Amino acid sequence: SSELTQDPAVSVALGQTVRVTCRGDSLRTYSASWYQQRPGQAPILVLYGKNSRRPSGLPDRFSGSTSGDTASLTITGAQAEDEADYYCYSRDSSNKRGVFGGGTKLTVV
Amino acid sequence: QVQLEESGPGLVKPSGTLSLTCAVSGDSISSHNWWTWVRQAPGKGLEWIGEIYHSGFTNYKASLKSRVKISIDKSKNQFSLTVNSVTSADTAVYFCAREIMEASSTNWLDPWGQGILVTVSS
Repeated sequence: SSELTQDPAVSVALGQTVRVTCRGDSLRTYSASWYQQRPGQAPILVLYGKNSRRPSGLPDRFSGSTSGDTASLTITGAQAEDEADYYCYSRDSSNKRGVFGGGTKLTVV
Repeated sequence: QVQLEESGPGLVKPSGTLSLTCAVSGDSISSHNWWTWVRQAPGKGLEWIGEIYHSGFTNYKASLKSRVKISIDKSKNQFSLTVNSVTSADTAVYFCAREIMEASSTNWLDPWGQGILVTVSS
């Protein structure tokens, strides 16, 4: 399958924990990476690799995991600056082309 | 520090050709990475367009393959995107990015260029 499915919107109370999920058959074969995009800005990498590594400088409140066909991005103790759109990215297992999830708009209330 | 910067016309006429260039600094375009184009229509999500390896090998999104070409210029350390027969549906912010691949099943995009808005309009 070429699709990665994300919930369109998720909200979290300030300081609480939130999970953003990405589901697709290709995630059984390829690892997911995650990107944060604030309005008017380019996406930035927040998690990558099989063990959901964080780029240097990214707060450790961001973590990730994968189980079966679902990858998850978890923010533990969400901050106001975490309010953004989050996209997962992987490869289509049938043709090896890149594919993005539809994105999740995270609101911190 | 690796940086990518897109450049090109911000306005293209319908049925015309969109041409963008991504200049890479801090890494060689001949390194063992892929070089990728992504776009984002206004208010929409990210769309993978295609990628190129320094050997010239390319992959394109199936629905765009007939109109898109990605090329590489090693002498200038840059890569380019051409989209033919554009319509208003091609209006988007276009991003270039470096794609790092680790083993055969792990890949990610980092860094990204700042993006360039291309509007298709007469």
